[in-house]
Amino acid sequence: QQQVKQSPQSLIVQKGGIPIINCAYENTAFDYFPWYQQFPGKGPALLIAIRPDVSEKKEGRFTISFNKSAKQFSLHIMDSQPGDSATYFCAANPDPHAGKSTFGDGTTLTVKP
Amino acid sequence: EPEVTQTPSHQVTQMGQEVILRCVPISNHLYFYWYRQILGQKVEFLVSFYNNEISEKSEIFDDQFSVERPDGSNFTLKIRSTKLEDSAMYFCARAQGNSPLHFGNGTRLTVT
Repeated sequence: QQQVKQSPQSLIVQKGGIPIINCAYENTAFDYFPWYQQFPGKGPALLIAIRPDVSEKKEGRFTISFNKSAKQFSLHIMDSQPGDSATYFCAANPDPHAGKSTFGDGTTLTVKP
Repeated sequence: EPEVTQTPSHQVTQMGQEVILRCVPISNHLYFYWYRQILGQKVEFLVSFYNNEISEKSEIFDDQFSVERPDGSNFTLKIRSTKLEDSAMYFCARAQGNSPLHFGNGTRLTVT
């Protein structure tokens, strides 16, 4: 019940493409859904996050779509660039333990020039 | 530049030895966390530390692990008797209230 399932495991797109990464959860106690970007040798860094009362959130080229009834959420990267090549993790936080995140397995994104 | 500094960046130790991983948060936050990432795998929660006490720990965080904030600043993770399977990246993170985690760059622990 605590799992967050993430797909695909890896993704290759051409520059300018729109990669989409999907996540699903089961625990309805989760109330905060961050996405992290991780470059090799670095710690995960927050990219964008959403609460379940919002169906979509956009920050720059990154958009989260959230479907509360389906318990699914996804990350879209518009106009992807080679510099976006990284591993992306979705996560879910239960309340009140906001810092205890359950992470998805990660998606390795490669954006080809 | 991360708001959490971790030392060392890489630690090599022999099986059965004790290791101490250190974390220095720049801001004076109350919530601290240790996470682990085995090479190529997901990031896993180990323990949360609030107001100088463990508030929650995972099944991974067994008796071989301990955390301390000995001087009110540094936050340490100790593994008493390392095993080969403890080889991983260990990330310290801090959070304030219901805010996202800020991770350090991690310590790569290699147990031989």
